[in-house]
Amino acid sequence: GQNIDQPTEMTATEGAIVQINCTYQTSGFNGLFWYQQHAGEAPTFLSYNVLDGLEEKGRFSSFLSRSKGYSYLLLKELQMKDSASYLCAPMDSNYQLIWGAGTKLIIKP
Amino acid sequence: GAVVSQHPSRVICKSGTSVKIECRSLDFQATTMFWYRQFPKQSLMLMATSNEGSKATYEQGVEKDKFLINHASLTLSTLTVTSAHPEDSSFYICSAKSNDLAGESGELFFGEGSRLTVL
Repeated sequence: GQNIDQPTEMTATEGAIVQINCTYQTSGFNGLFWYQQHAGEAPTFLSYNVLDGLEEKGRFSSFLSRSKGYSYLLLKELQMKDSASYLCAPMDSNYQLIWGAGTKLIIKP
Repeated sequence: GAVVSQHPSRVICKSGTSVKIECRSLDFQATTMFWYRQFPKQSLMLMATSNEGSKATYEQGVEKDKFLINHASLTLSTLTVTSAHPEDSSFYICSAKSNDLAGESGELFFGEGSRLTVL
């Protein structure tokens, strides 16, 4: 079956670095997306990985290992506005996104 | 956790026909549901916000007469693609905001998506 596993909740301190891990099992693979979702708002796109390795985009980086079915989202220089849920979503062979439950990130001053 | 069911998961239709996609919240009530469109290897694009008992709010550039949205109950929203054309072929996904959790986290629950192919 298809499955996504990421932590339910994480807490970090403003200015610090946090890594949100995601493991997945899908029927085929066409890349993996990370989305950010603030409470009560629609999710916003953060990153897309289709090849192994690290993709850096400002304070956010995303890593993918296809052989391990593993990805992580790295957030640096955390700001209070980064408090949100982060959704890991691999795309299967039918180009359907398989959504995880998301990780709620709490940033403390 | 809360479940959102989207149907059909895949549909193929001829150009000029209309297609209806349903989005149901199975174990919770949702006053607000969202409809997205996603092209291969691109991010989700919000099309419209569906509110139970009132007209949907469409994002800029989305034709409301082409993408009809009906949210007649607290557990069902439908998206009808009217007079579909090949350029409407895409992956459509809905999400629902649980009324029960609205005051707590505003968490959104997503459907599995519907792949539309217009020949």
